[in-house]
Amino acid sequence: GAVVSQHPSWVICKSGTSVKIECRSLDFQATTMFWYRQFPKQSLMLMATSNEGSKATYEQGVEKDKFLINHASLTLSTLTVTSAHPEDSSFYICSARGLAGAMDLSETQYFGPGTRLLVL
Amino acid sequence: GQNIDQPTEMTATEGAIVQINCTYQTSGFNGLFWYQQHAGEAPTFLSYNVLDGLEEKGRFSSFLSRSKGYSYLLLKELQMKDSASYLCAVMDSNYQLIWGAGTKLIIKP
Repeated sequence: GAVVSQHPSWVICKSGTSVKIECRSLDFQATTMFWYRQFPKQSLMLMATSNEGSKATYEQGVEKDKFLINHASLTLSTLTVTSAHPEDSSFYICSARGLAGAMDLSETQYFGPGTRLLVL
Repeated sequence: GQNIDQPTEMTATEGAIVQINCTYQTSGFNGLFWYQQHAGEAPTFLSYNVLDGLEEKGRFSSFLSRSKGYSYLLLKELQMKDSASYLCAVMDSNYQLIWGAGTKLIIKP
């Protein structure tokens, strides 16, 4: 159980285009989803936290107008990188946390496989 | 401020035992997690400790001492596939995860 998928796994795009990444919890309902970015050989960096049906909370230094997050249902969150530039090239990883009351899931974040974005 | 400390890198031999330590200072505590991350992949969940003591899961065990702000991950019978980064993360009073920088574990034959 506790499977999280991400799509696409790889994206190559031209500078100035927008890219949408989907994160789905496949076998549980995710009240909260998290979006991380990780540059090579660096730590995970939390970008934003989103709760179903409400606006995402962005970490300091992350532009909310550039990284649009939508968490429309308990199983789906999307991250849209708008007007992507080469410096946005990174490994984007989502994680999901389940409903409270499910002991195994309520606190643990389960990660998707990640999406590699390369902006040319 | 909130802080998670773990060694940057460790080296161990195949078949041996290795202990990866993690110390933390956070505003509140709602549990400590260990994740494994292979190069180029997303983290995978290994363990969750919220009470003091040792939790054993096969070759991997995790220990927690809340009074000391300390945890360790113990890996036994090391295999080459255990070469990865091991991330320690603490959930604070706001249920936010505070991440350590990770410990890169290198296994030698």
